Amino acid sequence: KQEVTQIPAALSVPEGENLVLNCSFTDSAIYNLQWFRQDPGKGLTSLLLIQSSQREQTSGRLNASLDKSSGRSTLYIAASQPGDSATYLCAVSRGGSYIPTFGRGTSLIVHP
Amino acid sequence: DADVTQTPRNRITKTGKRIMLECSQTKGHDRMYWYRQDPGLGLRLIYYSFDVKDINKGEISDGYSVSRQAQAKFSLSLESAIPNQTALYFCATSDLHSGVGYTFGSGTRLTVV
Repeated sequence: KQEVTQIPAALSVPEGENLVLNCSFTDSAIYNLQWFRQDPGKGLTSLLLIQSSQREQTSGRLNASLDKSSGRSTLYIAASQPGDSATYLCAVSRGGSYIPTFGRGTSLIVHP
Repeated sequence: DADVTQTPRNRITKTGKRIMLECSQTKGHDRMYWYRQDPGLGLRLIYYSFDVKDINKGEISDGYSVSRQAQAKFSLSLESAIPNQTALYFCATSDLHSGVGYTFGSGTRLTVV
């Protein structure tokens, strides 16, 4: 059974810092990995999707990398802003059923 | 209009009542999912459907049932609601071949009193 762990569970940083959020998974036979953002009480917004054949994806200040062999993905946020405050979740879809397994998220607070 | 629409957005119901949560999508995706989210437990899969004739149980299906009325509609029912079903419920869609990953609705906050 795939297990997805996100470290740290919570993070508080001053505005302007570059951040790295981590996602690790136990089964490297994945189909894709997706990073989401969730604001309190709201739905999940897709940030980046990395297919198993890819090593990284970039969108604006966000960069996600994937290393299947080590079972890890990182989400890099450059020059953090208070508007980045949210919970960030990663979801790993395995081959076969393609059903995603979610991590429990990293709660990020960026203070001015 | 949102790609994935959930109704109602909020609902308070009494123990023992039957309640239906509805989800509709305009993305044309074949696959639809129902998740519940609880503080500290993350997202857990209740049911999923790969097409209109395909319904599958997730990890926490007990106490729930679903209906896939059409490609675009997937409803979740609580036959006899109980307080520990109080949670935030999400519908999601995906298309295996589109490469766009998963799209989530805005959620239904359900409180069972």
